[in-house]
Amino acid sequence: DTGVSQDPRHKITKRGQNVTFRCDPISEHNRLYWYRQTLGQGPEFLTYFQNEAQLEKSRLLSDRFSAERPKGSFSTLEIQRTEQGDSAMYLCASSQRRAGEETQYFGPGTRLLVL
Amino acid sequence: KQEVTQIPAALSVPEGENLVLNCSFTDSAIYNLQWFRQDPGKGLTSLLLIQSSQREQTSGRLNASLDKSSGRSTLYIAASQPGDSATYLCAVKHGSSNTGKLIFGQGTTLQVKP
Repeated sequence: DTGVSQDPRHKITKRGQNVTFRCDPISEHNRLYWYRQTLGQGPEFLTYFQNEAQLEKSRLLSDRFSAERPKGSFSTLEIQRTEQGDSAMYLCASSQRRAGEETQYFGPGTRLLVL
Repeated sequence: KQEVTQIPAALSVPEGENLVLNCSFTDSAIYNLQWFRQDPGKGLTSLLLIQSSQREQTSGRLNASLDKSSGRSTLYIAASQPGDSATYLCAVKHGSSNTGKLIFGQGTTLQVKP
């Protein structure tokens, strides 16, 4: 399967714990995005990378959130000191611009529940 | 600030009916607009992408139109089938091609009854 993969698919944690999610993009894609989706809402942008450079961060990405893409391939999203409000689906997407067009391809998501 | 709205929030139709889903956006300075499908608890599948210079795109039974000046897009589904039941999301990429993020609407949840 050459699609976007995310790990884990589900995570249950207690408030105050740290969690880390991983995203593996489509291999030739140089752009990688993180979004958060709560129940009944559309995804909200968190951050994006072009190769290993983090080019944009949303105000939603508080100090407790950090994302990395160290070698321009896979990416990790870490949430420190989780809060109940962090419960959501975390979606990763990747893309490659070709001839001015860019379609984002999404992974299956990591569903986080903070108790 | 760009805002994307989808109406209706939910829609139930009998199998075989043609239907239209609506998406509106407040700032016409978009780079492109994309329609996605999301099955319950799953990620998003891209259906159609319309560049800002285009008026419509078609794929099988799906047709998406874009009227940038009025801030509207529609997704037309012909001869709906129970397998079309899902949430449909539209998203705009704002401004220049260097802006990566998509801004999503809340989605329309479609149920097609056999």
